[in-house]
Amino acid sequence: GENVEQHPSTLSVQEGDSAVIKCTYSDSASNYFPWYKQELGKGPQLIIDIRSNVGEKKDQRIAVTLNKTAKHFSLHITETQPEDSAVYFCAAPPSPPGNTGKLIFGQGTTLQVKP
Amino acid sequence: GAVVSQHPSWVICKSGTSVKIECRSLDFQATTMFWYRQFPKQSLMLMATSNEGSKATYEQGVEKDKFLINHASLTLSTLTVTSAHPEDSSFYICSASHGGASTEAFFGQGTRLTVV
Repeated sequence: GENVEQHPSTLSVQEGDSAVIKCTYSDSASNYFPWYKQELGKGPQLIIDIRSNVGEKKDQRIAVTLNKTAKHFSLHITETQPEDSAVYFCAAPPSPPGNTGKLIFGQGTTLQVKP
Repeated sequence: GAVVSQHPSWVICKSGTSVKIECRSLDFQATTMFWYRQFPKQSLMLMATSNEGSKATYEQGVEKDKFLINHASLTLSTLTVTSAHPEDSSFYICSASHGGASTEAFFGQGTRLTVV
């Protein structure tokens, strides 16, 4: 089955700096890669996703890149702000693909943005 | 938008009692919903897939008799933790998808269960 590995587990940056979180996946057939932000005591919120037919997607300060050959995808946050502090999760569909919406999550990255 | 609502947001119950958590898709129909469990400082672990009008599919290691799932309509799935024990204390989160070609999943706000 699909295995999703996420690094680093914790990341501390100064406000205004960039943050990068990386994930690897095991199933080369996977075709959908979302990133979620989870604040304390709340459910995950989708912040950006990418499908396997593109290599990069950007939404204001957030971007995701995908390297299908290496089977990894990364979340890039530029000009970080204190409100970006949260736990970030990557995810991928299970292998073999089953119900749409079913996801396997990475271990999570706790991002701390220092003012 | 696609809104998924969970209720309650938190609950405290005594050992041995049962607790029901509801998950509703407010503005779309969801033939399939998913239930996750999250322990403190850990990732989300998929517990089961809830299928409207049929039995749920449980992940390996999840006790189906302890975690009862009902998906009676296209907008409502329920998770009942039966005979709860302190080790069942956790954060339970549901998600739903539009289905079909859509792979995007929308999550509820989660339910904090504390068994005392």
